[in-house]
Amino acid sequence: GAGVSQSPRYKVAKRGQDVALRCDPISGHVSLFWYQQALGQGPEFLTYFQNEAQLDKSGLPSDRFFAERPEGSVSTLKIQRTQQEDSAVYLCASSTRQSSNYGYTFGSGTRLTVV
Amino acid sequence: EDQVTQSPEALRLQEGESSSLNCSYTVSGLRGLFWYRQDPGKGPEFLFTLYSAGEEKEKERLKATLTKKESFLHITAPKPEDSATYLCAVYSGGYQKVTFGTGTKLQVIP
Repeated sequence: GAGVSQSPRYKVAKRGQDVALRCDPISGHVSLFWYQQALGQGPEFLTYFQNEAQLDKSGLPSDRFFAERPEGSVSTLKIQRTQQEDSAVYLCASSTRQSSNYGYTFGSGTRLTVV
Repeated sequence: EDQVTQSPEALRLQEGESSSLNCSYTVSGLRGLFWYRQDPGKGPEFLFTLYSAGEEKEKERLKATLTKKESFLHITAPKPEDSATYLCAVYSGGYQKVTFGTGTKLQVIP
């Protein structure tokens, strides 16, 4: 597609429920990133993929968060046993470059609300 | 750890009233400084990358400059459609993560 597509756009989860957020990057983009953006804050890094390899997951806040990109294209961010503090917008970004020296293309995000 | 501080948090301008947004950063070795624009309900939209002190880039009414400690985003004769949150971010190499500031929310009033 023309841009990075994320689904769903909105997700309401009950505390303790598992959720899966999907990202379709721009076709051919090697690098894929997940960021978490709390209300009124800047995006915070979660994890980075180069093709199917997860090269950096240092930003994942706990072992309840898990990301995968099995075929080097679509990625899924999974959050198990959601907590209220997980409420945020989850942004996916992709880049044709292997280095973060260049700007990313972001999707519109998934707004997760945990009640 | 890389740090980015943006000021002011919010800025309200009359249409045509030029101003500047500030981004102060602390990094171990700057590989790139980025400016993004973010509209409500959307993801950040890439504007510029600056690589070294003294570099400048322009796009329409926006001009970004870089020194060794900070970057400025100058907005000349802004229009209401320039209203958005402007995010600054830095990349210092090694791991691929880019560190963002909290943004400046700009409102341009007709």
